[in-house]
Amino acid sequence: GESVGLHLPTLSVQEGDNSIINCAYSNSASDYFIWYKQESGKGPQFIIDIRSNMDKRQGQRVTVLLNKTVKHLSLQIAATQPGDSAVYFCAEGRDSSYKLIFGSGTRLLVRP
Amino acid sequence: EPEVTQTPSHQVTQMGQEVILRCVPISNHLYFYWYRQILGQKVEFLVSFYNNEISEKSEIFDDQFSVERPDGSNFTLKIRSTKLEDSAMYFCASSPEDYPSTDTQYFGPGTRLTVL
Repeated sequence: GESVGLHLPTLSVQEGDNSIINCAYSNSASDYFIWYKQESGKGPQFIIDIRSNMDKRQGQRVTVLLNKTVKHLSLQIAATQPGDSAVYFCAEGRDSSYKLIFGSGTRLLVRP
Repeated sequence: EPEVTQTPSHQVTQMGQEVILRCVPISNHLYFYWYRQILGQKVEFLVSFYNNEISEKSEIFDDQFSVERPDGSNFTLKIRSTKLEDSAMYFCASSPEDYPSTDTQYFGPGTRLTVL
């Protein structure tokens, strides 16, 4: 289930540091946004979502921030661990549609 | 924890041949999807399926593609005459009855299709 591409942007962080992964989305009419994590050999795994009427949502060690003014979404991972190493995708969706529109992904590498 | 499974993990075929990719969605889910990812590109939506019919499809999903739920557990994607550009990772996903909403599309590990 690899999603590795030759041109994925990469974020390298030290174990224990916080990570911030960014995503620019295209459709101002999207109703919700989702962050997925993809580890090598696996399919996308849901991390956290946020509705378009929210600015911030927190989960366990993760926070998603939404800035609709500049159409920007970020995923913050606190105290990054080696198991967080993966490719992270943002996706957007509309309540009137079944499809998710994925971003291009960011590779997170955690240095021990 | 229940998960979506897909077979085979890797399929190699000759151009012009038919392929069938198989998926077993999570057992109590009612909405099913296929996505694909060409190497180096974004994950792209192909089709969604509910109540034994296609509920939405993308421009990619042309007459060469078809989906079927042949029994109570499997969900298949057929490509009738494969082209070189069909080479990609194909992901199946499923979601429960209360979709569409957030956080409920669960993805399988994917089938890597290589067309020679």
